[in-house]
Amino acid sequence: EIVLTQSPGTQSLSPGERATLSCRASQSVTSNYLAWYQQKPGQAPRLLMYVASTRATGIPDRFSGSWSGTDFTLTISRLEPEDFAVYYCQQYGTLPYTFGQGTKVEIK
Amino acid sequence: EVQLVESGGGLVQPGGSLRLSCAASGFTFSDYWMHWVRQAPGMGLVWVSRINTDGYNTDYAASARGRFTISRDNAKNTLYLQMNSLRAEDTGVYYCVRGIEVSGTPPPFDLWGQGTLVTVSS
Repeated sequence: EIVLTQSPGTQSLSPGERATLSCRASQSVTSNYLAWYQQKPGQAPRLLMYVASTRATGIPDRFSGSWSGTDFTLTISRLEPEDFAVYYCQQYGTLPYTFGQGTKVEIK
Repeated sequence: EVQLVESGGGLVQPGGSLRLSCAASGFTFSDYWMHWVRQAPGMGLVWVSRINTDGYNTDYAASARGRFTISRDNAKNTLYLQMNSLRAEDTGVYYCVRGIEVSGTPPPFDLWGQGTLVTVSS
């Protein structure tokens, strides 16, 4: 099973600041099938990025994804008030599909 | 409207059974693989199971294999999860999630239901 380790666990930032979220895979992710989700309290997760760096429909361009080997990064260039939430990475290239434990982006 | 609506959750005793349903609308259900994903209270996301478009190919997480059965009725646009021998650790919100489409677009996991809560407790 591919283990995804997200860091940091919590990131305290102010609106307008840049957020950088990390997701490290324990082994290679097939075809870079790595997705990022945003989840707010009481809501279902929302797909942000897929195949590591492609924005899902309707996702603003302040969100970007990148990778180097087995290290994946989600960057939010300038935090808007609605961006404060929990973010999860997921690999969907190898069964069982696995998620990271999440990074909470909170208002400083 | 494109949506997934889960139902069937509730309180069940350890060892009991429950069947979850997920009604799909607004898209061609039979063209998509489908998944179930669980989230325990205050915890992260765990993939549970998937099924292909015609229902003949299924996969499970180790924790679900042998106890849970995923199925679908394309005529009714409905996905199911039969859960038997339930344990306390099965407690959580179960989300129905749209997977990959036969053409490869849109991306998988792009549509989630609102979830249904399963509580396993005596």
